[in-house]
This record gives sequence, C-alpha cells and structure tokens, in this order.
Amino acid sequence: GAVVSQHPSRVICKSGTSVKIECRSLDFQATTMFWYRQFPKQSLMLMATSNEGSKATYEQGVEKDKFLINHASLTLSTLTVTSAHPEDSSFYICSAQSLGVRVAGDNEQFFGPGTRLTVL
Amino acid sequence: GNSVTQMEGPVTLSEEAFLTINCTYTATGYPSLFWYVQYPGEGLQLLLKATKADDKGSNKGFEATYRKETTSFHLEKGSVQVSDSAVYFCALSFSGGYNKLIFGAGTRLAVHP
Repeated sequence: GAVVSQHPSRVICKSGTSVKIECRSLDFQATTMFWYRQFPKQSLMLMATSNEGSKATYEQGVEKDKFLINHASLTLSTLTVTSAHPEDSSFYICSAQSLGVRVAGDNEQFFGPGTRLTVL
Repeated sequence: GNSVTQMEGPVTLSEEAFLTINCTYTATGYPSLFWYVQYPGEGLQLLLKATKADDKGSNKGFEATYRKETTSFHLEKGSVQVSDSAVYFCALSFSGGYNKLIFGAGTRLAVHP
C-alpha cells in the first residue's frame, strides 16, 4: 500500500517548450502533495507544497510562474515547467501525504520514483 | 538556518560488514529526525525516525539514536546484506510531523558478496 507514481519517468525536450509531470497516489487519497527538485549529488530541495483544491505554497526562490502546480484531485498533482531551459534540467520528485495511511495518527510522506527532465 | 550534513559516498562494504553512515544536523529548535532509503528505480521510503532526544529509531536491522548533545543521528547496521545496497538520506522536520522535510545529500551504499 501507499504507492505514489510519477509520469513520465524520463523526458527530453527542446528549450522553450513546456513539460508536464504527473504525480498520482494510487491507493490512498492525499490531502497534501509536495514537489522536490534534486541536483546531482545534492539533497532534495522542497519546491512547493500543494493541498487539494487550493493554491500551492512555494518555497523562497522558486518561481511560481515558471513551475505551475495544480492539485485538482485527492489523487493527482501536476507540475508544469513552463518555457523550459537547460538550467531547469533536473530530477523532480513528488510525495503525497495523508493522515493515518500506514500508521494510525501518523502523517508520513510517500514518495514517487522521480522524473528526470533534460532540456536541450 | 536548518540543514543536514551526511558523509559523502559511495560507501562500499562486503556482505556482513558493519555499517555506519554519519549524519549531523543544524537546527533552531528540536526537530524530528529521519532516515529514508531509495532503492534503484524506486521512490524514497521511510526507514526509521526519532522525534526527541535519546530516542532510538530502528527497522530492518538498522538503528539510529537522536543525540542532541552532538546534533547527530548516525545510521548503523551490524551486518549488511547485498539487498541493502541503496541511497540513504538523513532528514529533519519540525512541528512533529513530516512537513517540509530538509534532506541531506544522500549516501550511496554498495554491498558486495
């Protein structure tokens, strides 16, 4: 149980195009989803937190117009990288959270396998 | 600010060897501490956690003790297996839960038969 999927797992695009990444909680409803970015040999950096039906909260330094997040349902959040450029190339990871999914009263985050974005 | 520092990898061990992966943190206040593991091709999974000083988290033979005096949360296992090969992330969070996890850079462990 508590499986989170991401699609696509890998994407290559041309500079200036937009790319959408989907994050789905497959067997539970997620009240909150998180989007992280990971550079090679560096830690995961939280980009934004999204709650179903409301606007995402972005971390300092993350451009909200560049990284559009939509959390339209309790099982789906999307991250759209708009007008992507080579410096946006990275590994993007989502996580989904809801109270008591695995342990009663616990608020554990469950992570997707990540999406490798390469912008040429 | 708040941050997590892990020992650089990769760590290469023979099967049944003793494992230590060091983790230290800097935090304003008293965070909860976590170890996550990422197996190849999979998402991060919670391995163990500790929510207050002197707590010991344990799972699958792995242990880590929350040391406030040394601001550390080192991961240990007495006898590693090939199946333990993965990337291990130390992390902290405030407000007792998992919100806004702050991760270390990760340490890759390779265990050989």
